[in-house]
Amino acid sequence: SQQGEEDPQALSIQEGENATMNCSYKTSINNLQWYRQNSGRGLVHLILIRSNEREKHSGRLRVTLDTSKKSSSLLITASRAADTASYFCATPLAGYNKLIFGAGTRLAVHP
Amino acid sequence: SQTIHQWPATLVQPVGSPLSLECTVEGTSNPNLYWYRQAAGRGLQLLFYSVGIGQISSEVPQNLSASRPQDRQFILSSKKLLLSDSGFYLCACPPPTGGYTFGSGTRLTVV
Repeated sequence: SQQGEEDPQALSIQEGENATMNCSYKTSINNLQWYRQNSGRGLVHLILIRSNEREKHSGRLRVTLDTSKKSSSLLITASRAADTASYFCATPLAGYNKLIFGAGTRLAVHP
Repeated sequence: SQTIHQWPATLVQPVGSPLSLECTVEGTSNPNLYWYRQAAGRGLQLLFYSVGIGQISSEVPQNLSASRPQDRQFILSSKKLLLSDSGFYLCACPPPTGGYTFGSGTRLTVV
């Protein structure tokens, strides 16, 4: 079963614009993680936000977490063509050794 | 830091043939290890996870099996491949803190 669901499924923007991706989840979490996947490659961990945190920054990335709404957002500011990739949210299933992924958002940044 | 090695990178196999994909981990001991499968343009589905040598948990009924013969080795196998086994297979390992580390993946095409 999927724990996280990303929205939108696909996003197309111009270089320099901001990109916002959303993730909703179903059950209680200890943390929520965002990953990036370039086409045909493995996933790279971007950022982890804990359930007691509301916002976290890493370079051009900003992640928010609203546990009351069971949702998170990933904002990429001043996007670049190199940001083109799929982005996934993932949550560890509480009490289990499992990381459950959403279906992902495919981001295309056009020069 | 831990590193995951997966091979081969790509594989084309006929229906009914056997399969063996290998994942090895460096830089950690007694890790939890995971096999995920990703269909084209989709999210990741957890197939198996292992918390130690000889300990395998299966997430979904399927044509595949997994084994953990050594602490840092995780193998995905099939006796007879089906067309539906095609996909991108990823091995993953959680660090003590932070996000998971993924291998570079194996793209399997069953023809």
